[in-house]
Amino acid sequence: DAGVIQSPRHEVTEMGQEVTLRCKPISGHNSLFWYRQTMMRGLELLIYFNNNVPIDDSGMPEDRFSAKMPNASFSTLKIQPSEPRDSAVYFCASSKVTGVISYEQYFGPGTRLTVT
Amino acid sequence: AQSVAQPEDQVNVAEGNPLTVKCTYSVSGNPYLFWYVQYPNRGLQFLLKYITGDNLVKGSYGFEAEFNKSQTSFHLKKPSALVSDSALYFCAVNHDGGSQGNLIFGKGTKLSVKP
Repeated sequence: DAGVIQSPRHEVTEMGQEVTLRCKPISGHNSLFWYRQTMMRGLELLIYFNNNVPIDDSGMPEDRFSAKMPNASFSTLKIQPSEPRDSAVYFCASSKVTGVISYEQYFGPGTRLTVT
Repeated sequence: AQSVAQPEDQVNVAEGNPLTVKCTYSVSGNPYLFWYVQYPNRGLQFLLKYITGDNLVKGSYGFEAEFNKSQTSFHLKKPSALVSDSALYFCAVNHDGGSQGNLIFGKGTKLSVKP
């Protein structure tokens, strides 16, 4: 299996521009998670989906952030407009959930976002 | 509410010595516990998990963890540390009533193994 795939791996953009991060989860996994990691705040859960449906987006910092999962094999995290404080590493993770059993999450390599 | 605590920001160990990275948790119901490792500029990698059964769980790279229900702990251990074990380690928890696999992560502990 190719693992969780994220693109781009690095993104440098100017303040005010729209940024779209992409994620392809592991085939067969039905839960997908978006995280943000910074030195100051550590690892933060932004939003997660189960069976393509957003379950909890309480971690999304502002309305500038939005996430979609149009099908089981693709998700996007969009920031519009971007600000310098959005600079971070964004991780996507996926897992398989059956009933009440939660399996481990598998993380992608991350997208390092720099907003100037 | 669920929570995970990693009381040490950093652990320093000499190569060849045993290492312990501490984790305590608070959940309602039975916990599902996980350890992850993050090497520089990489994503988190799954190391091991406790769901049920034997309290001593063995995982990747020679790591193991012991589930202690009375102390609500799940400390990560390795008998003999390697310099290559130097990384950031995260403990995470869910419980058997948790929704859709969401994990609560600790803040992470930086392990430094010196030659």
